[in-house]
Amino acid sequence: GDSVTQMEGPVTLSEEAFLTINCTYTATGYPSLFWYVQYPGEGLQLLLKATKADDKGSNKGFEATYRKETTSFHLEKGSVQVSDSAVYFCALSALYPNAGKSTFGDGTTLTVKP
Amino acid sequence: DTGVSQNPRHKITKRGQNVTFRCDPISEHNRLYWYRQTLGQGPEFLTYFQNEAQLEKSRLLSDRFSAERPKGSFSTLEIQRTEQGDSAMYLCASSRGGQANTEAFFGQGTRLTVV
Repeated sequence: GDSVTQMEGPVTLSEEAFLTINCTYTATGYPSLFWYVQYPGEGLQLLLKATKADDKGSNKGFEATYRKETTSFHLEKGSVQVSDSAVYFCALSALYPNAGKSTFGDGTTLTVKP
Repeated sequence: DTGVSQNPRHKITKRGQNVTFRCDPISEHNRLYWYRQTLGQGPEFLTYFQNEAQLEKSRLLSDRFSAERPKGSFSTLEIQRTEQGDSAMYLCASSRGGQANTEAFFGQGTRLTVV
């Protein structure tokens, strides 16, 4: 079945440091890939997505590129802020007929210190 | 606010009691999903609906769990004879159609604590 593997956390960085959170997946065909963010006490919010190979999703300074050859979708940000502290989830969306149903990684907790 | 709404936000119940959660999706979304999230893990798929039809149920959904979406709008998730292992965050999401690239919008979840 489909699966998503994220780098284990927690990750602690100083403000303005470079962030990478690794994500690899196993799926039949070419699913859509997502990064979600979850702030304390809140639901999941979509951060960015990519729907086909070599697509780059980007939002709020975060980027991730859909790499078919390595089945990866690593999240990066050039300069993190304290407000980026949250849990980040990598996810994939199944193909038809169950499209929209998502498989999530276990999440990576990011703490950014001033 | 036209996002996905879940009620209640928190529920504490005694073991053996029944509980019911409600999810109101975004109005024009015909797909609705239920997930369960335990501490330190990502959401796990439970079931989903297209309109009022329940199209898939996970093995995680034991016979104590039942979900409905009677008119294709809001949905309820009921857990009968709750157990301590049912303690988790229950998340609802909705999306428009069944396209793989369609974004699912999540509610804030219902946190269940079974004591």
